[in-house]
Amino acid sequence: GAGVSQSPSNKVTEKGKDVELRCDPISGHTALYWYRQSLGQGLEFLIYFQGNSAPDKSGLPSDRFSAERTGGSVSTLTIQRTQQEDSAVYLCASTRSWSGVDSPLHFGNGTRLTVT
Amino acid sequence: GNSVTQMEGPVTLSEEAFLTINCTYTATGYPSLFWYVQYPGEGLQLLLKATKADDKGSNKGFEATYRKETTSFHLEKGSVQVSDSAVYFCALSEYSGAGSYQLTFGKGTKLSVIP
Repeated sequence: GAGVSQSPSNKVTEKGKDVELRCDPISGHTALYWYRQSLGQGLEFLIYFQGNSAPDKSGLPSDRFSAERTGGSVSTLTIQRTQQEDSAVYLCASTRSWSGVDSPLHFGNGTRLTVT
Repeated sequence: GNSVTQMEGPVTLSEEAFLTINCTYTATGYPSLFWYVQYPGEGLQLLLKATKADDKGSNKGFEATYRKETTSFHLEKGSVQVSDSAVYFCALSEYSGAGSYQLTFGKGTKLSVIP
C-alpha cells in the first residue's frame, strides 16, 4: 500500500502476557518513529530508528519495552509482561528525512492495545 | 528537554467562526515547528510547518507564524467549517545529538465545529 500500515489494529490481552505490534513503513522511508497516545496525554515518544539502528531509545518507559527494525523496513514493538497502564494507542510514523522537516511524518492508524 | 504546550480542549465553535489554538514551546536551540491534524478515523497528517523565526506556514486556510520572541506558534483560521472538526497537534523538531532528531508533540486540542 501507499501508506504506513500497522497491525493489528486492535489488540486485547491479559495482564502479564507479551504482545508484538508491527509497523510497515512507506517504502524508501529511512526514519521510523514509535509513539504512544494515551487519553489526555498527547503523543509520547518511545523510540526512533534511522535505518536499522536506534540512536534514540530514551522514550521507552521500561525494560519491558523493546523494538527492532529489520532490512530498513518493518519494525516490531514488543511489550513483555503487559500491565494495565500499557493500554494506549501505539502509533508508528515514517519519513524520508530524519529530521521530519524536509518531508513530513506519515503516520499509521495505530494499534489500540487494551490490557485487561 | 524540549516541550510543547497547547491549549486544552475541547473547543466547540459554530461554522464560520474564527479559530485560534495557542501553542508555546521550550527548546534549547532553533527548532522547526509544525501543526499536525488527526481527522476522525484517520492517522495524523501534516497541516503546516515553519522552519525559522518569522516564517508563516499556511494550508487549507489555516495559518501559523513562528514567533521566536514569544516562543509561540499559534494556529488560526478565519472561518471554520464542519469538515475542520479534528484533533490538532502542535509539534517541534530539533537536533538532539547522537545522530537523532527529537520530534516532540503537544497533547492535542480537539475541535468540534457545529453547523
